[in-house]
Parts: sequence; structure tokens; C-alpha cells
Amino acid sequence: GAVVSQHPSRVICKSGTSVKIECRSLDFQATTMFWYRQFPKQSLMLMATSNEGSKATYEQGVEKDKFLINHASLTLSTLTVTSAHPEDSSFYICSARDRGPYNSPLHFGNGTRLTVT
Amino acid sequence: KQEVTQIPAALSVPEGENLVLNCSFTDSAIYNLQWFRQDPGKGLTSLLLIQSSQREQTSGRLNASLDKSSGRSTLYIAASQPGDSATYLCAVRMLGSSNTGKLIFGQGTTLQVKP
Repeated sequence: GAVVSQHPSRVICKSGTSVKIECRSLDFQATTMFWYRQFPKQSLMLMATSNEGSKATYEQGVEKDKFLINHASLTLSTLTVTSAHPEDSSFYICSARDRGPYNSPLHFGNGTRLTVT
Repeated sequence: KQEVTQIPAALSVPEGENLVLNCSFTDSAIYNLQWFRQDPGKGLTSLLLIQSSQREQTSGRLNASLDKSSGRSTLYIAASQPGDSATYLCAVRMLGSSNTGKLIFGQGTTLQVKP
């Protein structure tokens, strides 16, 4: 089956630094990738939709200058948390959609646990 | 705006019991509905996917139903086992190109099956 690789699985960084998270589709081309955030004991909240070769679409309340998304190729999207603060500590998960119609299957990465100290 | 609600938030049952998890959604214009399992600190495992034209899907001890008109889905787990302990998430796939196929998740039901 289709595989989405997310890296790193865990990262600890100091407040004020930036952290980059990668999401790769290993055996398919992903025109669209979705980035989710999950706080402890809460559900996944969609942060943004990333389309290859164009600007990401952010959900209401998500700061685009804080969470930089780049989708430069059909197999790679990156999420950069800039000037991280402890409140950014969370579980981040990406999801990639097969190239094709909007109802193409979605495949999830294993998530990245970010801890900001 | 689509809202997905799961009841109960937490559930504890003895091993062997049959149980039902509930999911409701406010906008019936969905393409499909999917149930996921999430173990603590881990990613998502897809359990069952029901297309909007379907009424139910089965996989092993799991059965998921969908009533799109009423905005409800249930996940039935038969003969529960301690290994079923996890958080179960319901998610709806929105219809229409403007939604780009995104999934909207419920808050989840945390299940504990006691030996």
C-alpha cells in the first residue's frame, strides 16, 4: 500500500528556534498534502492544505508566518515551525492524497512529536 | 461548517463485551466517512471506510454503519479484547472541489478494555 514517511518522529528544540518537519510520499505522487495538529487528548485539527507548486491554504486561526509550508515537489511537503514557543508543543501529522480526483485515497504519516523547552 | 462529534469521550468495558461507538456530523454533504484507531503517541491506522452511498462496512470483529441523512455513524466492536484499547477517531471526507478532499475529525473515543 501507499506509504507516507514523516520525519523526524520526535524533536525537542529550544524556545525561539525553528523546526522543520518533512512529509514524503514514498511510492506515489501527492498533489495535495494536509497538515494536522493534535494536542494531548484532543482530536486532529487541520492546519493547512498544501498543493504542489502553489501557496498553502491555511485554516482560520492558523498563522501562516508561524507555520511555513512548502510543497516543492510531488513527493515532499515540509512544515517549518518558526520561532517555536512551548505552546507549539504538539503532535503534528501529515496526510497525502494520491494524484487524481479530490476523492483519491488519503495516506497518513506516523506523526512528529514536537517539544519546545 | 462541518462539525463531527463522538460520544462517549471515554469508555471502559470488561474483556469480551460487545460495544458501540457513536459519531455524528452536521453536514451530510460528505464523500465518505472513515474510522481510525490511534494508539498513544502514535499515528493513525485506518479501520474502515464507508462511501456515502454505502450503509455499512465490516472487517473482522468491526462493523461500521452510516446513515448519511441523519448524520450518524456507529462503530461496533464485537467480543472486545485488551488489544482493542486505543482512541478511535471518526472522520468525514468533505464533498466538492473547494474542500480539496480534506478530512474533518471528531474528538475521539478512548476505549479501555480490561482483562
